[in-house]
Amino acid sequence: KQEVTQIPAALSVPEGENLVLNCSFTDSAIYNLQWFRQDPGKGLTSLLLIQSSQREQTSGRLNASLDKSSGRSTLYIAASQPGDSATYLCAVDTGRRALTFGSGTRLQVQP
Amino acid sequence: DAGVIQSPRHEVTEMGQEVTLRCKPISGHDYLFWYRQTMMRGLELLIYFNNNVPIDDSGMPEDRFSAKMPNASFSTLKIQPSEPRDSAVYFCASSSAVPYGYTFGSGTRLTVV
Repeated sequence: KQEVTQIPAALSVPEGENLVLNCSFTDSAIYNLQWFRQDPGKGLTSLLLIQSSQREQTSGRLNASLDKSSGRSTLYIAASQPGDSATYLCAVDTGRRALTFGSGTRLQVQP
Repeated sequence: DAGVIQSPRHEVTEMGQEVTLRCKPISGHDYLFWYRQTMMRGLELLIYFNNNVPIDDSGMPEDRFSAKMPNASFSTLKIQPSEPRDSAVYFCASSSAVPYGYTFGSGTRLTVV
């Protein structure tokens, strides 16, 4: 059974810092991996999707990497802003379409 | 497109009552998912459909939970009878095959007292 772990559970940084969120998964036979953002009381917004054949994806200040063999992904956020404050969730699709989620990293960016 | 639409946004009900949550997926998406989010267990898959057919309901916690998708534009998740431990946020999501996309609704916050 696929298990997804995210470290750290919570992170507080001053504005402008670069930061890295970590995600690990137990079964490397994945179809893709996604990073989502969830604001309090809201739904999930997809940030980046990495196919199993890819090593990384970039969108603006966000960069996600994937190392399938070691079962790890990182989300790098450059020059963090208070508006980046949210919970970030990692999820893997093993090919059956349903996603297995990590428990998330709650990020607070201090102005 | 208005995205995935869930109703109601909030539901407060008494233990033992029947609860029905509703979802309208994005037009053209052929997968529909029901997830539940709690502080203790995070986001868990309950059931998903492909082309209106249930594919995997192994995440449905008990016989008190049932889900239907009578057509491509509507799905329901029913809890009967409801219990306080069912209190959670229930998310519906839909997905397309080509291009691959995954869209979540805003969720229904259920409180059973």
